[in-house]
Amino acid sequence: GENVEQHPSTLSVQEGDSAVIKCTYSDSASNYFPWYKQELGKRPQLIIDIRSNVGEKKDQRIAVTLNKTAKHFSLHITETQPEDSAVYFCAASISNFGNEKLTFGTGTRLTIIP
Amino acid sequence: DSGVTQTPKHLITATGQRVTLRCSPRSGDLSVYWYQQSLDQGLQFLIHYYNGEERAKGNILERFSAQQFPDLHSELNLSSLELGDSALYFCASSVDRAGKLFFGSGTQLSVL
Repeated sequence: GENVEQHPSTLSVQEGDSAVIKCTYSDSASNYFPWYKQELGKRPQLIIDIRSNVGEKKDQRIAVTLNKTAKHFSLHITETQPEDSAVYFCAASISNFGNEKLTFGTGTRLTIIP
Repeated sequence: DSGVTQTPKHLITATGQRVTLRCSPRSGDLSVYWYQQSLDQGLQFLIHYYNGEERAKGNILERFSAQQFPDLHSELNLSSLELGDSALYFCASSVDRAGKLFFGSGTQLSVL
């Protein structure tokens, strides 16, 4: 089955700086890559996603890049703010229907230092 | 509030017991997914139902079962509970099989 590795497990960034979280996946048939943010004690929420026919996607301060050849994808957060502090999960799916059989990474705890 | 309702929020039980977790999806959503979140294993996909039918299974134990009812709510049944089953169980729903996932607030299960 699919295996998703996520690095780093923890990340501390000065407020205003950029943060980058990286994930690799094992199954070259994977075609859907969402990112979820989970604040302490709360539910995961989708923040951005990308499909395999796209190399990069941006949404304000958040961007995701995908390298299909290397089988890795990354989350980039620019101009970080205290409210960006949370655990971020990457995920990958080989289903034609996107959300089926999503395999999650183990998460990155991001701390923004004021 | 995501619109996905999970009950109960907390559940404390003993080894060997059986429990039922309930999930009501957002109005209009046909897909329901169940995930297990533990400290050491992150989010693990358990099972997916679409409009009452099972569509996909993940690493779900044989002691666990689920179903989706005609009104689209879903139940996850956990039996012969073990200490290692202690975890946060999330339900998520989406309008179809590819739409954005909306997670419930989870059920924290503690097996003592």
